[in-house]
Amino acid sequence: DAKTTQPPSMDCAEGRAANLPCNHSTISGNEYVYWYRQIHSQGPQYIIHGLKNNETNEMASLIITEDRKSSTLILPHATLRDTAVYYCIVRVAGGSQGNLIFGKGTKLSVKP
Amino acid sequence: ETGVTQTPRHLVMGMTNKKSLKCEQHLGHNAMYWYKQSAKKPLELMFVYSLEERVENNSVPSRFSPECPNSSHLFLHLHTLQPEDSALYLCASSLMSGREQFFGPGTRLTVL
Repeated sequence: DAKTTQPPSMDCAEGRAANLPCNHSTISGNEYVYWYRQIHSQGPQYIIHGLKNNETNEMASLIITEDRKSSTLILPHATLRDTAVYYCIVRVAGGSQGNLIFGKGTKLSVKP
Repeated sequence: ETGVTQTPRHLVMGMTNKKSLKCEQHLGHNAMYWYKQSAKKPLELMFVYSLEERVENNSVPSRFSPECPNSSHLFLHLHTLQPEDSALYLCASSLMSGREQFFGPGTRLTVL
């Protein structure tokens, strides 16, 4: 079973920031928070991951609370092409325990 | 361009047919994965190969038979499938088992 809780859907206006929350209250000390997204009828795409510190790359920013029980994925300027299902996954890095277990994710709809 | 390709992209087969799905990765990774995504269900991990050795088989029926002849290629041989096996089959690869995975576009399989 997925160890994360995400809202089933969210809307965001084009050009605005999209903030996608994720709860992972049972996360272990050696587990990372990973985000993937899946655009309709395509394979999932890796976005970002982090352990404790906030992370930023060319796609998004990841904000992890100090107690690590929740995180937020931020798309700073959402476009229509960001419409997708976003998956928050916690996992260890390495070995079979690090396999991805997908939940239902959040369906983000970016509207003009 | 993810560097992971899958063929065919679409496949329709009868229950008595034998077919194979192919996955190829051009990323220099040494771990490869098969996932199944049924309608309105989360992605399910089927098989994991690390260094061409199968390291995980998530209770998948024997009518699905994986093969990994080298680190760049992964096959899923299909035999005597059922209509409920109709799904999107996704291949992924990672630098090592447990690291971030890169997905192919998937094969949409329909079993009649």
